[in-house]
Amino acid sequence: EVQLVQSGAEVKKPGATVKISCKVSGITFTDYYIHWVQQAPGKGLEWMGLVDPEDGETKYAEKFQGRVTITADTSTDTSYMELSSLRSTNTAVYYCATSKEQLEIFDYWGQGSLVTVSS
Amino acid sequence: EILLTQSPAALSVSPGERATLSCRASQTVISHLAWYQQKPGQAPRLLIYAASTRATGIPARFSGSGSGTEFTLTISNLQSEDFAVYYCQQYSDWPPITFGQGTRLEMK
Repeated sequence: EVQLVQSGAEVKKPGATVKISCKVSGITFTDYYIHWVQQAPGKGLEWMGLVDPEDGETKYAEKFQGRVTITADTSTDTSYMELSSLRSTNTAVYYCATSKEQLEIFDYWGQGSLVTVSS
Repeated sequence: EILLTQSPAALSVSPGERATLSCRASQTVISHLAWYQQKPGQAPRLLIYAASTRATGIPARFSGSGSGTEFTLTISNLQSEDFAVYYCQQYSDWPPITFGQGTRLEMK
């Protein structure tokens, strides 16, 4: 059974940094891209970026470029998403999801991690 | 960046009937379009990819069609568990991968 298990909810102050984890099991970690998707309360889905665990290559959405860092640890089959300079508009659920290379559809998803940014 | 516009924003349909959801792309995505279903408090679930291919385990009452810039998700014989929010997503020209704003399917 494929599982993506994310870390728990976080409360952060404006200007802080949050780092969320996504542990993958049931698939070969290096065969899939790991993507991160943001969903603000009551809003739609927004793609943030991805990491290729095979070589660590990353691609980011321009909106998040410079504030987001996505990494993959092949020793623990875990991906991390770090978002810095947090503001209230970053209050959201963050999902990790997998896709095969050359087919960027999200076939497996984590359960989501709620990040609340509040002073 | 390819913009996806979904219509309608909300749709009210009775169980047992058919729902038709639309997704329009700002430029061609060929057939590189997927559909997802999201229920409250849950992660999205992949329904359709390559515009018309059902994902593993998805019932045959879900069907996708279209190519280029116009796409449709049709749900026949609506069941109670089908009432949710539906998103389209393009993976033709990226980054960024983009999603539509969603269609809320409500029970009439």
